[in-house]
Amino acid sequence: DAKTTQPPSMDCAEGRAANLPCNHSTISGNEYVYWYRQIHSQGPQYIIHGLKNNETNEMASLIITEDRKSSTLILPHATLRDTAVYYCIVRVVDFGNEKLTFGTGTRLTIIP
Amino acid sequence: KAGVTQTPRYLIKTRGQQVTLSCSPISGHRSVSWYQQTPGQGLQFLFEYFSETQRNKGNFPGRFSGRQFSNSRSEMNVSTLELGDSALYLCASSLTGGPGEQFFGPGTRLTVL
Repeated sequence: DAKTTQPPSMDCAEGRAANLPCNHSTISGNEYVYWYRQIHSQGPQYIIHGLKNNETNEMASLIITEDRKSSTLILPHATLRDTAVYYCIVRVVDFGNEKLTFGTGTRLTIIP
Repeated sequence: KAGVTQTPRYLIKTRGQQVTLSCSPISGHRSVSWYQQTPGQGLQFLFEYFSETQRNKGNFPGRFSGRQFSNSRSEMNVSTLELGDSALYLCASSLTGGPGEQFFGPGTRLTVL
């Protein structure tokens, strides 16, 4: 799986959009971009995933650049409950490969 | 529907002992993966089971083993515990076979004294 690079920490004001960047310059054509988050000492929570098109769900939006070498997770209206470590993961989606390779993630702090 | 459950939630053991942790996946999910999380190494993949067979394995010593039962419930076992095995052990379940999400349980916090 391709390696990802994320900033170690970010702050965002409550109510504003939180934009979390991720670099995955060695991504292959069959690799998806996934985002998970982990609130202190809980199990990671799935947020969103995409291959090459931008994606949106009830939690967030995922913007993938045209060359697929980077992406941005957008939390449109951050709340205090969004304070967590956010992981950007690249994974080959293949029957038989469920492995997620977590990096160090971005610690996002929402400021009241 | 019920989420992934893990038992026990907390466990204290001493060096040299062995421990068994249990994970019940979401109903209908056939894949169960195990992860170890420590402050120094972060989240690391241990292994994955599908239809009672280990399908993928991470870079952990043979002291770490697992199994899956016909109802997809899974157990992991750590023998001859070391202080460094103190960690949060997480399991995740998925339907497998596609780009879907994995659902994580709350984890078992293991402390080795």
